[in-house]
Amino acid sequence: QKEVEQNSGPLSVPEGAIASLNCTYSDRGSQSFFWYRQYSGKSPELIMFIYSNGDKEDGRFTAQLNKASQYVSLLIRDSQPSDSATYLCAVKEAGTASKLTFGTGTRLQVTL
Amino acid sequence: SAVISQKPSRDICQRGTSLTIQCQVDSQVTMMFWYRQQPGQSLTLIATANQGSEATYESGFVIDKFPISRPNLTFSTLTVSNMSPEDSSIYLCSVESGREGEKLFFGSGTQLSVL
Repeated sequence: QKEVEQNSGPLSVPEGAIASLNCTYSDRGSQSFFWYRQYSGKSPELIMFIYSNGDKEDGRFTAQLNKASQYVSLLIRDSQPSDSATYLCAVKEAGTASKLTFGTGTRLQVTL
Repeated sequence: SAVISQKPSRDICQRGTSLTIQCQVDSQVTMMFWYRQQPGQSLTLIATANQGSEATYESGFVIDKFPISRPNLTFSTLTVSNMSPEDSSIYLCSVESGREGEKLFFGSGTQLSVL
């Protein structure tokens, strides 16, 4: 059974700080990695994706991938109260078109 | 990304009844995906719907319980049949987009409560 694991949280960070969200996955052959943000009562929204080892930056968001350690993370710089949400990590299986395995999500709370 | 409209947005249903959820996309897509998100849990893929062929169901999901239609390249329905309280969940329609169709985008979801 392929697994994607995340700490459920809540992760509490003060406004302006860096939030660090982590995700590990079991399928060593996984190729694509995604971060979704889900506000309460809403559907998931894709905010970052990464395919290669290293860092990928987009605005205040940085995704980090380490395939050797089977680890992907999301950093949110200058955290804002509007960043308070659940962040879902998703991993695309190698060799299977479009099948994503989701983690259970980490709830982030940005405090004033 | 595609614009995905889903309805109803929420419903409260009685045990033993059925509910059909509709999903409309603003562009033609080959595959549409139906997910379930039970309270406090992550997303689980129910089935993949291709136009012109039978839907492909994931382990634990069967056509009799979750019949799917895909009459054209922009529309699909998911029916939750003979509902029980355990079917209370958010149901999400999704499609691929991106240069290589590698990114998955979701509709607004249907919040279903079964009494």
